[in-house]
Amino acid sequence: QQPVQSPQAVILREGEDAVINCSSSKALYSVHWYRQKHGEAPVFLMILLKGGEQKGHEKISASFNEKKQQSSLYLTASQLSYSGTYFCGTEGVSAGGTSYGKLTFGQGTILTVHP
Amino acid sequence: DAGVIQSPRHEVTEMGQEVTLRCKPISGHNSLFWYRQTMMRGLELLIYFNNNVPIDDSGMPEDRFSAKMPNASFSTLKIQPSEPRDSAVYFCASRATHTGELFFGEGSRLTVL
Repeated sequence: QQPVQSPQAVILREGEDAVINCSSSKALYSVHWYRQKHGEAPVFLMILLKGGEQKGHEKISASFNEKKQQSSLYLTASQLSYSGTYFCGTEGVSAGGTSYGKLTFGQGTILTVHP
Repeated sequence: DAGVIQSPRHEVTEMGQEVTLRCKPISGHNSLFWYRQTMMRGLELLIYFNNNVPIDDSGMPEDRFSAKMPNASFSTLKIQPSEPRDSAVYFCASRATHTGELFFGEGSRLTVL
C-alpha cells in the first residue's frame, strides 16, 4: 500500500523553509526520501531506519516516528536547486522485525522555489 | 561504476506490438526493482527481485506484462501485446546491499500509439 504524502505542492521563495510529510497505514522498517528533477530519474536523499531517527543532509533533514508510522522532510533556507518532486518510499516490517524488501512510493510533492 | 543502464531510452510502437525493456543493474547490488511512472499514478512498483528471484510481482498490471532476471547483471520487462494505456516512463533501480539506497536508471519512455 502506498504511503500518503502532504502537501501535494509547495511554492516557496528562496530562503524560505518547507516541510513535507509522509504517513503509512502499516508498520515500517524504513523510510526513503528521493528528489526528482523534470525529465530525470529520482535521486536518493536519505534513508531512515526503524528505531526512530533523524538525519541531516546539508540544509535538508528528516525525521522518522516509528510509532506513528510517519516521516517528515525538512528543507531549510531553500535554494533554487531544491525545486523538483520529492518522493517518500516506505518499506514494511515483518513480524520478525526484518524488512519485506518491498519499497513503494507516495504520490510525490512538487516543490517550486522562486528567486 | 556506470550506474544502472536501461535501454532503449525511448520507444514508440503501435498497439499490439511486443515491447522489451532492458536493464543492467550496478554490479554487486542484489535487489532489482521495476517501476512505472505516469502523471496519474505516480511511481508504481511493478516487480522486484532479490538475488535474481522474483519476490513480489503483485504490481504487474496484467498477464500482458512479464519480467525476468536470468542473471545478476541483466533483467527484462516485456509487454505483449502493448496498449496505449501502457505509455509511461519505466524505471529500473538496483539497491545497494549495505546502505539500502536505490539507484535508478535514466528510464525508458514508452509511447504506444
